[in-house]
Amino acid sequence: QQQVKQSPQSLIVQKGGISIINCAYENTAFDYFPWYQQFPGKGPALLIAIRPDVSEKKEGRFTISFNKSAKQFSLHIMDSQPGDSATYFCAASKPGSARQLTFGSGTQLTVLP
Amino acid sequence: DGGITQSPKYLFRKEGQNVTLSCEQNLNHDAMYWYRQDPGQGLRLIYYSQIVNDFQKGDIAEGYSVSREKKESFPLTVTSAQKNPTAFYLCASSLRGRPPLHFGNGTRLTVT
Repeated sequence: QQQVKQSPQSLIVQKGGISIINCAYENTAFDYFPWYQQFPGKGPALLIAIRPDVSEKKEGRFTISFNKSAKQFSLHIMDSQPGDSATYFCAASKPGSARQLTFGSGTQLTVLP
Repeated sequence: DGGITQSPKYLFRKEGQNVTLSCEQNLNHDAMYWYRQDPGQGLRLIYYSQIVNDFQKGDIAEGYSVSREKKESFPLTVTSAQKNPTAFYLCASSLRGRPPLHFGNGTRLTVT
């Protein structure tokens, strides 16, 4: 049972454009929503994260938008650069003794020069 | 520099053999995790450990085993019972009670 659905599977954007990746979740117990960036042959790296008490969080060119009522959250990459080309994963976590993550299936982003 | 070291980067084994993947961290993190990544799929949790000498099964633990004898080390054994072991394996760590924060660079296991 996939609890976090991510779209699109792949995305091609021109340099300078906006990249938008969407995720939807089912479990209302989730209270932490991180995004990870993964380059080929490397492990994922935490990019930015949000909790449901805010609707938006911005760090540099990366912004998370969160819609609690719709159970959706998205990553926006402004002024996309070729160096942003990577696979992006959304994830969700719920309270508990072990903060396990449920991951989306990933989006392969290609930014054309 | 603090971080997670996974070794080896590539591993090849014959079907029917057990194989152990190494994960070492010097971040002083209590919690450690093992994930499996397959093409076009998200990461799936195999096992996790919150403290030394204690570990819990994740979503896909069948065919895998772990140990946590030291805080710094969390080796994963892929046994011959794992039906489809070829995958990219990722180790992660975090402070206890927190989501995985740091990931290693993975071990790509190929079983033929």
